[in-house]
Amino acid sequence: EDQVTQSPEALRLQEGESSSLNCSYTVSGLRGLFWYRQDPGKGPEFLFTLYSAGEEKEKERLKATLTKKESFLHITAPKPEDSATYLCAVRPGGSQGNLIFGKGTKLSVKP
Amino acid sequence: DTAVSQTPKYLVTQMGNDKSIKCEQNLGHDTMYWYKQDSKKFLKIMFSYNNKELIINETVPNRFSPKSPDKAHLNLHINSLELGDSAVYFCASSQEKGLNTEAFFGQGTRLTVV
Repeated sequence: EDQVTQSPEALRLQEGESSSLNCSYTVSGLRGLFWYRQDPGKGPEFLFTLYSAGEEKEKERLKATLTKKESFLHITAPKPEDSATYLCAVRPGGSQGNLIFGKGTKLSVKP
Repeated sequence: DTAVSQTPKYLVTQMGNDKSIKCEQNLGHDTMYWYKQDSKKFLKIMFSYNNKELIINETVPNRFSPKSPDKAHLNLHINSLELGDSAVYFCASSQEKGLNTEAFFGQGTRLTVV
């Protein structure tokens, strides 16, 4: 069964304290792993797509990496505005485009 | 200039009523989806349409019926609403062929059944 597990469920950081979020997955033929950011009362906002092991992508203080079993979202020197829930999703091979989501990591960054 | 827009943003209704949620995308995508986010914030696929054709229909009660008049619109009609239908419903779209296949989401419709 295709599955996505994110850890930790919640993470509290001080401003400037770097850390990583984990996304472990089991999927039959990966057609892409996606990271989204969701703010309260809003829809998920697309951040990154990773397609193959070893791939990395960066955007401002965020960097996403991918292995054959997991993905990490590294946050370097976070700021309070990085506080949000970060969602990981996979697109299984043979799927019609639908995403399987993890339950998310709620990140709080205190000034 | 919203890419994926859905209306209404909030919907409060009584049990047994019928309601609809509308969704439109201006990205030129060929595939549209409905996702449900429950009280624990877990997002799960409900339906997927590709060029107006139903592709995915997960285990969803028959009371839920999607309709796609054209590939830019995907509406969700719900009959005989139940308390358990309370959730946030998200519309999304993506382009299935090409280099960029990420899905873009609307702002959500918070449905409360009382």
